[in-house]
Amino acid sequence: DGGITQSPKYLFRKEGQNVTLSCEQNLNHDAMYWYRQDPGQGLRLIYYSQIVNDFQKGDIAEGYSVSREKKESFPLTVTSAQKNPTAFYLCASSPSSGNTIYFGEGSWLTVV
Amino acid sequence: QKEVEQDPGPLSVPEGAIVSLNCTYSNSAFQYFMWYRQYSRKGPELLMYTYSSGNKEDGRFTAQVDKSSKYISLFIRDSQPSDSATYLCAMSAQGQGGSEKLVFGKGTKLTVNP
Repeated sequence: DGGITQSPKYLFRKEGQNVTLSCEQNLNHDAMYWYRQDPGQGLRLIYYSQIVNDFQKGDIAEGYSVSREKKESFPLTVTSAQKNPTAFYLCASSPSSGNTIYFGEGSWLTVV
Repeated sequence: QKEVEQDPGPLSVPEGAIVSLNCTYSNSAFQYFMWYRQYSRKGPELLMYTYSSGNKEDGRFTAQVDKSSKYISLFIRDSQPSDSATYLCAMSAQGQGGSEKLVFGKGTKLTVNP
Protein backbone atom coordinates (compact mmCIF):
# COMPACT_ATOMS: atom_id res chain seq x y z
CA ASP A 1 0.00 0.00 0.00
CA GLY A 2 1.48 3.35 -1.03
CA GLY A 3 1.39 6.09 1.54
CA ILE A 4 3.04 8.27 4.12
CA THR A 5 3.78 6.80 7.54
CA GLN A 6 4.35 9.00 10.55
CA SER A 7 5.48 7.75 13.92
CA PRO A 8 4.86 7.89 16.76
CA LYS A 9 1.18 8.85 16.66
CA TYR A 10 1.32 10.28 20.19
CA LEU A 11 4.40 11.52 21.99
CA PHE A 12 4.96 13.13 25.35
CA ARG A 13 8.09 15.12 26.02
CA LYS A 14 9.48 16.84 29.04
CA GLU A 15 10.51 20.43 28.71
CA GLY A 16 14.13 20.78 27.68
CA GLN A 17 14.23 17.55 25.71
CA ASN A 18 14.64 17.15 21.98
CA VAL A 19 12.30 14.77 20.17
CA THR A 20 12.37 13.36 16.65
CA LEU A 21 9.26 12.62 14.59
CA SER A 22 9.61 10.06 11.85
CA CYS A 23 8.14 10.36 8.34
CA GLU A 24 8.51 7.71 5.64
CA GLN A 25 6.86 7.62 2.21
CA ASN A 26 6.76 4.91 -0.44
CA LEU A 27 5.05 7.02 -3.11
CA ASN A 28 8.35 7.75 -4.87
CA HIS A 29 7.70 11.45 -4.36
CA ASP A 30 10.62 13.85 -4.65
CA ALA A 31 9.33 16.58 -2.34
CA MET A 32 8.49 16.27 1.33
CA TYR A 33 7.11 18.75 3.85
CA TRP A 34 6.48 19.26 7.54
CA TYR A 35 3.51 21.29 8.75
CA ARG A 36 2.30 22.23 12.15
CA GLN A 37 -1.43 22.52 12.87
CA ASP A 38 -2.78 24.42 15.86
CA PRO A 39 -6.46 25.07 16.61
CA GLY A 40 -7.66 28.21 14.86
CA GLN A 41 -4.31 28.76 13.11
CA GLY A 42 -4.52 26.45 10.16
CA LEU A 43 -1.52 24.72 8.63
CA ARG A 44 1.88 26.35 8.91
CA LEU A 45 4.90 25.16 6.93
CA ILE A 46 7.97 24.29 9.02
CA TYR A 47 10.46 22.84 6.52
CA TYR A 48 10.37 21.37 3.04
CA SER A 49 12.72 19.40 0.85
CA GLN A 50 12.48 19.14 -2.91
CA ILE A 51 15.38 16.74 -3.31
CA VAL A 52 17.63 14.47 -1.28
CA ASN A 53 20.32 16.28 0.75
CA ASP A 54 18.60 19.62 0.36
CA PHE A 55 15.93 21.34 2.43
CA GLN A 56 14.55 24.82 2.98
CA LYS A 57 13.01 26.69 5.89
CA GLY A 58 9.32 27.34 5.82
CA ASP A 59 7.40 30.01 7.68
CA ILE A 60 8.06 28.76 11.22
CA ALA A 61 11.41 26.91 11.17
CA GLU A 62 12.80 28.30 14.42
CA GLY A 63 13.29 25.57 17.02
CA TYR A 64 13.07 22.76 14.46
CA SER A 65 15.60 20.82 12.38
CA VAL A 66 15.32 18.27 9.59
CA SER A 67 17.44 15.98 7.45
CA ARG A 68 16.88 14.38 4.06
CA GLU A 69 19.43 11.63 3.60
CA LYS A 70 17.07 9.33 1.72
CA LYS A 71 14.30 10.04 -0.73
CA GLU A 72 11.82 8.10 1.39
CA SER A 73 12.58 9.70 4.74
CA PHE A 74 12.26 13.21 6.19
CA PRO A 75 12.54 13.21 10.00
CA LEU A 76 11.73 16.31 12.03
CA THR A 77 13.48 17.14 15.30
CA VAL A 78 11.68 19.43 17.70
CA THR A 79 14.41 21.00 19.80
CA SER A 80 14.27 22.47 23.27
CA ALA A 81 14.55 25.89 21.61
CA GLN A 82 10.98 25.61 20.28
CA LYS A 83 8.92 27.75 22.66
CA ASN A 84 5.49 26.15 22.15
CA PRO A 85 6.06 22.65 20.79
CA THR A 86 2.72 21.13 21.81
CA ALA A 87 0.90 20.68 18.49
CA PHE A 88 -0.25 18.31 15.77
CA TYR A 89 2.55 17.70 13.26
CA LEU A 90 1.82 16.66 9.70
CA CYS A 91 4.24 15.27 7.16
CA ALA A 92 3.38 15.49 3.47
CA SER A 93 4.86 14.68 0.10
CA SER A 94 4.34 15.53 -3.56
CA PRO A 95 5.73 14.55 -6.94
CA SER A 96 8.22 17.05 -8.34
CA SER A 97 5.88 18.15 -11.11
CA GLY A 98 2.76 18.13 -8.97
CA ASN A 99 0.75 21.01 -7.64
CA THR A 100 -0.79 19.32 -4.68
CA ILE A 101 0.39 17.37 -1.67
CA TYR A 102 -0.58 14.25 0.22
CA PHE A 103 -0.51 14.03 3.98
CA GLY A 104 0.36 11.43 6.55
CA GLU A 105 -1.84 10.69 9.55
CA GLY A 106 -0.01 13.10 11.82
CA SER A 107 1.84 12.99 15.14
CA TRP A 108 0.56 14.55 18.33
CA LEU A 109 3.30 16.03 20.48
CA THR A 110 2.58 17.12 24.03
CA VAL A 111 5.16 18.80 26.21
CA VAL A 112 4.66 18.04 29.91
CA GLN B 1 -6.28 41.05 3.37
CA LYS B 2 -5.39 37.39 3.83
CA GLU B 3 -4.60 35.41 0.70
CA VAL B 4 -7.25 32.79 1.45
CA GLU B 5 -10.31 33.27 3.63
CA GLN B 6 -12.49 30.44 4.84
CA ASP B 7 -15.35 30.65 7.32
CA PRO B 8 -14.41 28.37 10.25
CA GLY B 9 -18.01 27.55 11.05
CA PRO B 10 -18.99 25.38 12.77
CA LEU B 11 -21.64 24.35 10.30
CA SER B 12 -24.32 21.92 11.45
CA VAL B 13 -26.82 20.36 9.02
CA PRO B 14 -29.34 17.51 9.08
CA GLU B 15 -28.61 14.31 7.22
CA GLY B 16 -29.58 14.55 3.56
CA ALA B 17 -29.01 18.29 3.31
CA ILE B 18 -27.00 19.97 0.57
CA VAL B 19 -23.88 21.51 2.05
CA SER B 20 -22.03 24.46 0.57
CA LEU B 21 -18.49 25.23 1.72
CA ASN B 22 -16.65 28.25 0.39
CA CYS B 23 -13.33 30.05 0.19
CA THR B 24 -12.40 33.42 -1.20
CA TYR B 25 -8.94 34.44 -2.27
CA SER B 26 -7.08 37.56 -3.29
CA ASN B 27 -4.26 36.30 -5.53
CA SER B 28 -5.48 36.30 -9.13
CA ALA B 29 -2.52 34.09 -10.11
CA PHE B 30 -4.02 31.05 -8.33
CA GLN B 31 -4.92 28.36 -10.84
CA TYR B 32 -4.86 25.10 -8.89
CA PHE B 33 -7.61 24.57 -6.35
CA MET B 34 -8.02 21.74 -3.90
CA TRP B 35 -10.34 20.58 -1.17
CA TYR B 36 -9.11 18.40 1.66
CA ARG B 37 -11.22 16.56 4.21
CA GLN B 38 -9.79 16.11 7.69
CA TYR B 39 -11.40 13.85 10.24
CA SER B 40 -10.74 14.52 13.89
CA ARG B 41 -7.17 13.65 14.91
CA LYS B 42 -6.28 12.51 11.38
CA GLY B 43 -4.26 13.94 8.52
CA PRO B 44 -6.05 15.80 5.70
CA GLU B 45 -6.97 13.70 2.66
CA LEU B 46 -7.27 15.13 -0.82
CA LEU B 47 -10.91 15.21 -1.84
CA MET B 48 -11.07 17.29 -5.01
CA TYR B 49 -8.54 18.88 -7.34
CA THR B 50 -9.46 21.46 -9.98
CA TYR B 51 -7.38 23.38 -12.45
CA SER B 52 -8.53 26.86 -13.48
CA SER B 53 -12.25 27.60 -13.68
CA GLY B 54 -15.31 25.45 -13.94
CA ASN B 55 -16.94 22.56 -12.15
CA LYS B 56 -15.75 19.11 -11.26
CA GLU B 57 -17.99 16.38 -9.96
CA ASP B 58 -17.11 13.22 -8.07
CA GLY B 59 -20.04 11.28 -6.69
CA ARG B 60 -21.85 13.45 -4.15
CA PHE B 61 -19.13 16.11 -4.27
CA THR B 62 -18.90 19.03 -6.69
CA ALA B 63 -16.07 21.54 -6.72
CA GLN B 64 -16.71 24.88 -8.37
CA VAL B 65 -14.24 27.63 -9.21
CA ASP B 66 -15.22 31.18 -10.16
CA LYS B 67 -11.99 32.97 -10.96
CA SER B 68 -13.74 36.22 -11.88
CA SER B 69 -15.08 36.45 -8.34
CA LYS B 70 -12.04 34.75 -6.75
CA TYR B 71 -14.38 32.29 -5.09
CA ILE B 72 -14.36 28.52 -4.82
CA SER B 73 -17.01 26.20 -3.48
CA LEU B 74 -17.46 22.60 -2.49
CA PHE B 75 -20.98 21.20 -2.59
CA ILE B 76 -21.95 17.98 -0.84
CA ARG B 77 -25.24 16.44 -1.91
CA ASP B 78 -27.25 14.07 0.26
CA SER B 79 -24.90 14.71 3.19
CA GLN B 80 -24.18 11.82 5.54
CA PRO B 81 -22.98 11.69 9.16
CA SER B 82 -19.73 10.26 7.78
CA ASP B 83 -19.17 13.62 6.04
CA SER B 84 -18.69 15.23 9.46
CA ALA B 85 -15.16 16.59 9.31
CA THR B 86 -13.17 19.77 8.80
CA TYR B 87 -12.86 20.82 5.16
CA LEU B 88 -9.79 22.75 4.07
CA CYS B 89 -9.43 24.62 0.81
CA ALA B 90 -5.99 25.05 -0.74
CA MET B 91 -4.68 26.77 -3.83
CA SER B 92 -1.51 27.59 -5.70
CA ALA B 93 -0.27 29.50 -8.71
CA GLN B 94 1.52 28.10 -11.72
CA GLY B 95 5.20 28.79 -12.13
CA GLN B 96 5.79 29.95 -8.58
CA GLY B 97 7.78 27.05 -7.29
CA GLY B 98 6.60 23.74 -6.01
CA SER B 99 3.88 22.70 -3.64
CA GLU B 100 5.56 24.58 -0.79
CA LYS B 101 3.69 27.54 -2.23
CA LEU B 102 0.36 25.92 -1.52
CA VAL B 103 -1.84 28.28 0.51
CA PHE B 104 -4.43 26.75 2.82
CA GLY B 105 -7.62 28.08 4.30
CA LYS B 106 -8.07 27.50 8.01
CA GLY B 107 -10.85 24.99 7.50
CA THR B 108 -14.61 24.78 8.06
CA LYS B 109 -15.87 22.29 10.64
CA LEU B 110 -18.97 20.45 9.40
CA THR B 111 -21.30 18.28 11.46
CA VAL B 112 -24.03 16.24 9.76
CA ASN B 113 -26.67 15.19 12.27
CA PRO B 114 -28.53 11.88 11.80
